Amino acid sequence: NAGVTQTPKFQVLKTGQSMTLQCAQDMNHEYMSWYRQDPGMGLRLIHYSVGAGITDQGEVPNGYNVSRSTTEDFPLRLLSAAPSQTSVYFCASSSVGARGYTFGSGTRLTVV
Amino acid sequence: DQQVKQNSPSLSVQEGRISILNCDYTNSMFDYFLWYKKYPAEGPTFLISISSIKDKNEDGRFTVFLNKSAKHLSLHIVPSQPGDSAVYFCAASGGYRNKLVFGAGTILRVKS
Repeated sequence: NAGVTQTPKFQVLKTGQSMTLQCAQDMNHEYMSWYRQDPGMGLRLIHYSVGAGITDQGEVPNGYNVSRSTTEDFPLRLLSAAPSQTSVYFCASSSVGARGYTFGSGTRLTVV
Repeated sequence: DQQVKQNSPSLSVQEGRISILNCDYTNSMFDYFLWYKKYPAEGPTFLISISSIKDKNEDGRFTVFLNKSAKHLSLHIVPSQPGDSAVYFCAASGGYRNKLVFGAGTILRVKS
């Protein structure tokens, strides 16, 4: 049971480049979310999904796209990377009624 | 405008003593509160939660207290152990359990 798997663990992008951060869970969880962690700001919700085919925006969605074609996968796309998107990104999943989310180990992204 | 505030960036405690981490919230719609623990280079892990219908929840060495009138919750760790040294995040949700709002975190250091 792998839990929540995020790839890559580290990434350096140039301004304007695009990329996809991968997230997969093998627990058949309905809920999945993307957070970013910045110093002094905690974790902020980017996008979330309550099931396959259903996504919605969180607190800081600008510059990011998501899709949820399967229960297992919830990729996060950066359309045109900016230095302000330098952050640590966490994917998380949860079943309905669970007490808390299970988080992946994170992707550290640097945009230069 | 932070809806969940952890006003102490750091806390240092002697091994065996009590650690008290505090969290304040402003949104009256929040009805479910969680604490997460995070080690460096890892994702946050769920620690303990409390519903607004309770004022206390206990799990081993960890107890969370909720004061709804003051919009304040606290996490007590007794006795504190060096392995408890980590960043602790307070989080809250209201209505939609999948949308968590996090505080900025408190770094706990337990000295042996």
